[in-house]
Amino acid sequence: AQRVTQPEKLLSVFKGAPVELKCNYSYSGSPELFWYVQYSRQRLQLLLRHISRESIKGFTADLNKGETSFHLKKPFAQEEDSAMYYCAPSLYNTNAGKSTFGDGTTLTVKP
Amino acid sequence: KAGVTQTPRYLIKTRGQQVTLSCSPISGHRSVSWYQQTPGQGLQFLFEYFSETQRNKGNFPGRFSGRQFSNSRSEMNVSTLELGDSALYLCASSLEGRVYEQYFGPGTRLTVT
Repeated sequence: AQRVTQPEKLLSVFKGAPVELKCNYSYSGSPELFWYVQYSRQRLQLLLRHISRESIKGFTADLNKGETSFHLKKPFAQEEDSAMYYCAPSLYNTNAGKSTFGDGTTLTVKP
Repeated sequence: KAGVTQTPRYLIKTRGQQVTLSCSPISGHRSVSWYQQTPGQGLQFLFEYFSETQRNKGNFPGRFSGRQFSNSRSEMNVSTLELGDSALYLCASSLEGRVYEQYFGPGTRLTVT
């Protein structure tokens, strides 16, 4: 079974501060992980894929197999980063009946 | 390319009724997945269709069903509606071979009274 856990439902930081949204996974094989973001009144959209090792909107996420984590990080948060963030595994490795995505973390960046 | 579209955007039904939601994927995308999003349960996977066949299924009762047409458009049906079915229903499409990279529609907000 492939599970992800986002331990923080809410996260609040000040503008310019570093931010880290946590995602932990438990996998029996090689994980495929993604971060999705949902801004207020916008649709859910893909933010990052772990295999691409890219930086999007200043965010990066590194797969740490030793710690089984895929935390999303940004060195200097901006107010426009305020949104709901979901960590998600590949659809094909989900445990049927469980939530495909993590429970999500609501990030608030205060001015 | 046009994004994923869902109709209707808002729907109000009463308990016991049934409802059909529609999803048009991005052109060229043959995989369509459905999710239920609620404040308490978060994002829950319903099912995924590919080439008119259900390929994956979440843990929802049989009242929730779906289908996909030859043009990849998909519909989701919920029969005998319950109050707890009130939610935002999201549809996502993806390319064959990249099914993990999903593009979401705006959702259909279903309210059951």
